[in-house]
Amino acid sequence: EAGVAQSPRYKIIEKRQSVAFWCNPISGHATLYWYQQILGQGPKLLIQFQNNGVVDDSQLPKDRFSAERLKGVDSTLKIQPAKLEDSAVYLCASSRRDSRREKLFFGSGTQLSVL
Amino acid sequence: RKEVEQDPGPFNVPEGATVAFNCTYSNSASQSFFWYRQDCRKEPKLLMSVYSSGNEDGRFTAQLNRASQYISLLIRDSKLSDSATYLCVVPRGNAGNMLTFGGGTRLMVKP
Repeated sequence: EAGVAQSPRYKIIEKRQSVAFWCNPISGHATLYWYQQILGQGPKLLIQFQNNGVVDDSQLPKDRFSAERLKGVDSTLKIQPAKLEDSAVYLCASSRRDSRREKLFFGSGTQLSVL
Repeated sequence: RKEVEQDPGPFNVPEGATVAFNCTYSNSASQSFFWYRQDCRKEPKLLMSVYSSGNEDGRFTAQLNRASQYISLLIRDSKLSDSATYLCVVPRGNAGNMLTFGGGTRLMVKP
């Protein structure tokens, strides 16, 4: 089975610029997650979707970050404008459903460097 | 207490050694727990789930102590390939799959 696809793999931008990341989850997975992982730390959940609805976005900095999953399949995460502290790996994950016993499958991530 | 807390390490052990990591959590209502493994510059992958008192899978044993609110991961007969960061994962809230990841414990197995 194909895994979680993410693009781009790497992105370098200057502060105050905008950037967008794309994620295509495993086919049939209803739940999609965006995590931010800063170097040396564990992944931090930014937003969780169940189909095309938001389950949790309490840790998403909504003044600059936005995410959508319009058709309940692929998703985009946008940062506008970027700050230096946004430098991190952005991981997308999916699971079959929103259940605590469901395994998360992660994509390879997008490494963002903000200069 | 932090939601999930781990000793960042690194734990440097020789091949064949037994090593154990602990992870403490703050949400006493949490029912299920997970250990994920993350290799350098790679994505996390599920290693083990812990639903009751513990779980064993080959050289790996995960145990849960609800009274003291910690889970542990024991690795026996360490291999070079076990070198990685081990992430403790605890559900937030009482329903759904909202997970909190610990900062990870780095393990280095040396020849």
